[in-house]
Amino acid sequence: DAGVTQSPTHLIKTRGQQVTLRCSPISGHKSVSWYQQVLGQGPQFIFQYYEKEERGRGNFPDRFSARQFPNYSSELNVNALLLGDSALYLCASSHPGGAGELFFGEGSRLTVL
Amino acid sequence: GQQVMQIPQYQHVQEGEDFTTYCNSSTTLSNIQWYKQRPGGHPVFLIQLVKSGEVKKQKRLTFQFGEAKKNSSLHITATQTTDVGTYFCAGLTNAGKSTFGDGTTLTVKP
Repeated sequence: DAGVTQSPTHLIKTRGQQVTLRCSPISGHKSVSWYQQVLGQGPQFIFQYYEKEERGRGNFPDRFSARQFPNYSSELNVNALLLGDSALYLCASSHPGGAGELFFGEGSRLTVL
Repeated sequence: GQQVMQIPQYQHVQEGEDFTTYCNSSTTLSNIQWYKQRPGGHPVFLIQLVKSGEVKKQKRLTFQFGEAKKNSSLHITATQTTDVGTYFCAGLTNAGKSTFGDGTTLTVKP
């Protein structure tokens, strides 16, 4: 079975632009979470979605938004990009009946110039 | 808010030496998870600890959860070059909020 897939893998944007990142969870997983990982730091929680509903939100500004689709895939949108938004954006899926472990994708590396 | 601290930030060892990383939370945790991230890779789940004082072993790796459920440790016996990477702990509170530490980066000299 395929793991968590994310696209695009790398992208470069300029300040003020908007970006959409996409994630497909492992088949059968209904929960998707988004994390931001700045170089040298641990992943920071942004959002969690389960069954298309937002279940948790981290300490990020309203420029960050997300949604989950009926097929459980998800999108993360970031508006009005700032230099500080440059990071690796990780998507993770999990199975409600599992041990709670997160299965991470390879991430989308965003560079804001 | 909840904070999870990991020490040390970096650890350089000779192959065959032992390695330990420590994780401390500012609040009591319902469980703690450990992940490994290889250079250029993504975090990969290693284990989850739930019970106070729990100890789990995976081959050369030993994981402990403190009695107060506010700290944890990962010990690797006789490190190998394949152990290179950054080890993260992630604490889950009763409110369902998961917080990652900033990790301990292990380098192993052959």
